[in-house]
Amino acid sequence: SQQGEEDPQALSIQEGENATMNCSYKTSINNLQWYRQNSGRGLVHLILIRSNEREKHSGRLRVTLDTSKKSSSLLITASRAADTASYFCATSSYGQNFVFGPGTRLSVLP
Amino acid sequence: EPEVTQTPSHQVTQMGQEVILRCVPISNHLYFYWYRQILGQKVEFLVSFYNNEISEKSEIFDDQFSVERPDGSNFTLKIRSTKLEDSAMYFCASSSQGEAEKLFFGSGTQLSVL
Repeated sequence: SQQGEEDPQALSIQEGENATMNCSYKTSINNLQWYRQNSGRGLVHLILIRSNEREKHSGRLRVTLDTSKKSSSLLITASRAADTASYFCATSSYGQNFVFGPGTRLSVLP
Repeated sequence: EPEVTQTPSHQVTQMGQEVILRCVPISNHLYFYWYRQILGQKVEFLVSFYNNEISEKSEIFDDQFSVERPDGSNFTLKIRSTKLEDSAMYFCASSSQGEAEKLFFGSGTQLSVL
């Protein structure tokens, strides 16, 4: 299975701190994405990184990809209470559909 | 901003009953998906649909499940005879031809099978 596994399962930080979440997967991928889910809502696409990329930025988000270790990390800088949500990585390979990991529940305390 | 809409937001049904979950994908999107999420657990792939046919399905998507695009706008998931373990949040998603990897999700239908 190419399923991504996020780590940690849950993370609690103070507002203003940085939050780092990791994702590991098992097989070769074409790209890896991070999604965010607020409680009881649909997933929202955050950022996509392709297998030939090592780092990508979007606002306060920074994603890295290490294909040799089959892992990715999502860094949220200067976190806000509104960043409280679950964060999922999703991997895909050519001809296969996206597989989501179990997610990391992030709580940002004011 | 265009969005994927799902109806109903909540559906309660008796075990053995048929349910139809409805989705209106973003209008110019060509790829359609159903995922489900049991409370607090991972998001599981059910089925993908392109060019009026199923392109891939998971082990969860057995003979009790079917999908249809009855017209140019709706995309439905039917569960023929619901089981207790079908209780979950069902998400519809779509993506465009030009950016097929980026999925746009609806807010989901919470299905409760009693």
